[in-house]
Amino acid sequence: GAGVSQTPSNKVTEKGKYVELRCDPISGHTALYWYRQSLGQGPEFLIYFQGTGAADDSGLPNDRFFAVRPEGSVSTLKIQRTERGDSAVYLCASSFGRGGDQYFGAGTRLSVL
Amino acid sequence: GQQLNQSPQSMFIQEGEDVSMNCTSSSIFNTWLWYKQDPGEGPVLLIALYKAGELTSNGRLTAQFGITRKDSFLNISASIPSDVGIYFCAGQRGNDMRFGAGTRLTVKP
Repeated sequence: GAGVSQTPSNKVTEKGKYVELRCDPISGHTALYWYRQSLGQGPEFLIYFQGTGAADDSGLPNDRFFAVRPEGSVSTLKIQRTERGDSAVYLCASSFGRGGDQYFGAGTRLSVL
Repeated sequence: GQQLNQSPQSMFIQEGEDVSMNCTSSSIFNTWLWYKQDPGEGPVLLIALYKAGELTSNGRLTAQFGITRKDSFLNISASIPSDVGIYFCAGQRGNDMRFGAGTRLTVKP
């Protein structure tokens, strides 16, 4: 597609449930990034993929968070046993190679009740 | 957490005025970027700077990469109502990108 696509745009879940957030990057972009943005803050880095592998997952807050990119294109961010503090906008970005300019999707707004 | 100090936090200006915002860091970055975010949208890249001292323009926007590689500023000239939004600076080093907390701009017609 023309830009980074994220689905769903909004997700409401209950504490303790499992959620999956999807990102479809710009065609041809090999690098993919996940960020989390809390209200009134800038995006904070979670994980970076180069191709299929997670090259840097140092931003994942704990082991409830996991992401995959099995074919080097679409990525899924998975959150287990969600907590209210996980509520935020989860943004995905892609770039043409490592260190390239990053282009963002519109994000998924996650609300954990 | 975020390592960039962005100021001001918010600005209220009259249409037609010029705007300036800046970002400082305790770390050196190889690239400085400025993004604009509208409500319900992701950040949109406005300007990217790749070299210390570089001054780059994009229409009414001008940004500079500080000579120390630890700071950058963004100027918007002759503001218009559609400039309203939140502006974020970002410093990048390889795949590592850090954002400021944003400057919320309000333009009064």
